[in-house]
Amino acid sequence: KAGVTQTPRYLIKTRGQQVTLSCSPISGHRSVSWYQQTPGQGLQFLFEYFSETQRNKGNFPGRFSGRQFSNSRSEMNVSTLELGDSALYLCASSPAGTGANTGELFFGEGSRLTVL
Amino acid sequence: AQSVTQPDIHITVSEGASLELRCNYSYGATPYLFWYVQSPGQGLQLLLKYFSGDTLVQGIKGFEAEFKRSQSSFNLRKPSVHWSDAAEYFCAVAAYGGATNKLIFGTGTLLAVQP
Repeated sequence: KAGVTQTPRYLIKTRGQQVTLSCSPISGHRSVSWYQQTPGQGLQFLFEYFSETQRNKGNFPGRFSGRQFSNSRSEMNVSTLELGDSALYLCASSPAGTGANTGELFFGEGSRLTVL
Repeated sequence: AQSVTQPDIHITVSEGASLELRCNYSYGATPYLFWYVQSPGQGLQLLLKYFSGDTLVQGIKGFEAEFKRSQSSFNLRKPSVHWSDAAEYFCAVAAYGGATNKLIFGTGTLLAVQP
């Protein structure tokens, strides 16, 4: 079974640009979450999607957005990039929304974004 | 508000020695607790989880953790550390009592293993 796939793995952007990151969850997983990881702030929850609906959103500005498609694949977008958006963006999928699998997240290797 | 504290930023142990990584949480009800490990350049991998029941939980790679409600702690232990255990370890609590997959992570403990 293939794991969580994130693309691209590395990218460099300049301030003011926008970026779209993609995540393909493990087959059969319907929940996809996104986290931002930085040395200063650690792992911060961005949002979670379940069955194409955003179920939770973290405390990030509106420049950060996401969506989930009918095949459970997810994308996140960051517009008007700032230097502080440089981070590792991690996607995680889960087989179920709640219950015994709650929090049992399977993470991808991340997309490392550098903003110059 | 829910929170997780990992008081040790960096720990160094000798190979073969025992290990205990500390985690304290803040949550009013019974928490859903997790330990994840992140190797350099990798995503996170679930080591173990606690939902309810037996307060001593076993995980992968020989790790275990004990839930102590009175101390609001969920410390991770391993009796004998291997060089391959060098990584960063994150404790986490599920927000909203497990109603969703939102996790609140601690700041992590970086483990170094000396030969």
